[in-house]
Amino acid sequence: KAGVTQTPRYLIKTRGQQVTLSCSPISGHRSVSWYQQTPGQGLQFLFEYFSETQRNKGNFPGRFSGRQFSNSRSEMNVSTLELGDSALYLCASSWGLAVRTGELFFGEGSRLTVL
Amino acid sequence: AQSVTQLGSHVSVSEGALVLLRCNYSSSVPPYLFWYVQYPNQGLQLLLKYTTGATLVKGINGFEAEFKKSETSFHLTKPSAHMSDAAEYFCAVTTNSGGGADGLTFGKGTHLIIQP
Repeated sequence: KAGVTQTPRYLIKTRGQQVTLSCSPISGHRSVSWYQQTPGQGLQFLFEYFSETQRNKGNFPGRFSGRQFSNSRSEMNVSTLELGDSALYLCASSWGLAVRTGELFFGEGSRLTVL
Repeated sequence: AQSVTQLGSHVSVSEGALVLLRCNYSSSVPPYLFWYVQYPNQGLQLLLKYTTGATLVKGINGFEAEFKKSETSFHLTKPSAHMSDAAEYFCAVTTNSGGGADGLTFGKGTHLIIQP
């Protein structure tokens, strides 16, 4: 069974640009959650999608957005990039809502560097 | 709102010694508690979880944790450390309340160092 796949693994952008990250969940999983990981703030919850609907959202500005497709694949977008957006972005899938199951399966992450 | 505190950002133990990683949580309703491990340049992997029932939970790689409601703790232990245990460990909580505005809340992490 294939795991969670995130693309791209590494990317470099400049301030003001926008970026789109992709996540393919484990087959059969309907929930996809996104987390931002930085040395200073640790793991912070961005949002969770379930059956193409955003179910939960963390405390991030509107520049951070996401969506989920009918095949459960998900994308997140960050517009008008700032230096502070440099981080490892982790996607995690689960069979049910993460807040109910807590059992998340993580991808290896997309490491974003903003210059 | 729920929160997690992990005491000690770095813990160093000798190979073969007891591993103890501390986690305290705050939750207004019965929590679901988890420990995840992250190896360098990888995502997180679930070690073990507590939802209901037996308070001593066994996980993978010889780890176990005990839910103590009176102490609001969920400390992770392993009787004998192995070099391969060197990694970052995260404690996490959710409440299955359905609100879930915070998603799964993670602690800041504890970096476990194994001395040969």
